[in-house]
Amino acid sequence: NAGVTQTPKFQVLKTGQSMTLQCAQDMNHNSMYWYRQDPGMGLRLIYYSASEGTTDKGEVPNGYNVSRLNKREFSLRLESAAPSQTSVYFCASSQIPSGANVLTFGAGSRLTVL
Amino acid sequence: DQQVKQNSPSLSVQEGRISILNCDYTNSMFDYFLWYKKYPAEGPTFLISISSIKDKNEDGRFTVFLNKSAKHLSLHIVPSQPGDSAVYFCAASSIQGAQKLVFGQGTRLTINP
Repeated sequence: NAGVTQTPKFQVLKTGQSMTLQCAQDMNHNSMYWYRQDPGMGLRLIYYSASEGTTDKGEVPNGYNVSRLNKREFSLRLESAAPSQTSVYFCASSQIPSGANVLTFGAGSRLTVL
Repeated sequence: DQQVKQNSPSLSVQEGRISILNCDYTNSMFDYFLWYKKYPAEGPTFLISISSIKDKNEDGRFTVFLNKSAKHLSLHIVPSQPGDSAVYFCAASSIQGAQKLVFGQGTRLTINP
């Protein structure tokens, strides 16, 4: 019963390098999300995918791209990493809610950009 | 523009006493409010939610109170236990923007023996 799985857990990049964070969920959820967590800022939504085949910008999308590969997988790509993208990244998923949108989160990916 | 605010970065409570975590919001269009709990090196986990049409929701030791006129909600934990030590985030969403869950900055709760 894995839930939401993110890889890698840790990554160190140099400024200008690119990388992709991978996320997969096994709960048959329709919606998937990428958040970043920074000290004093809480969690901020980067991009989300309400359903397979759709993606939309969240609060802080600049510098990121996403791909909803299929219903299970949602990846986040940094094309040219910057120190400001040093953060902990969380992937999450949920069913399209009829009530409160309860997200299930992965364990996080800690990214450091030097 | 911080729509959801948790003004206390940290809170320390003695084991067995009540813990009260507070959250304020500015958007009167929010329909649902949620609390998440986060341990170090783990993702946040859902704790409890409340609809804007209610003023209280209870689940075991956890109760959330909503005061719409004051745009304020609080999470009460009674009695507090050492395992409750974690960072707590409040979050909110509207029905129209259900996917756009907005989080507060978090409050670190420490339960002292």
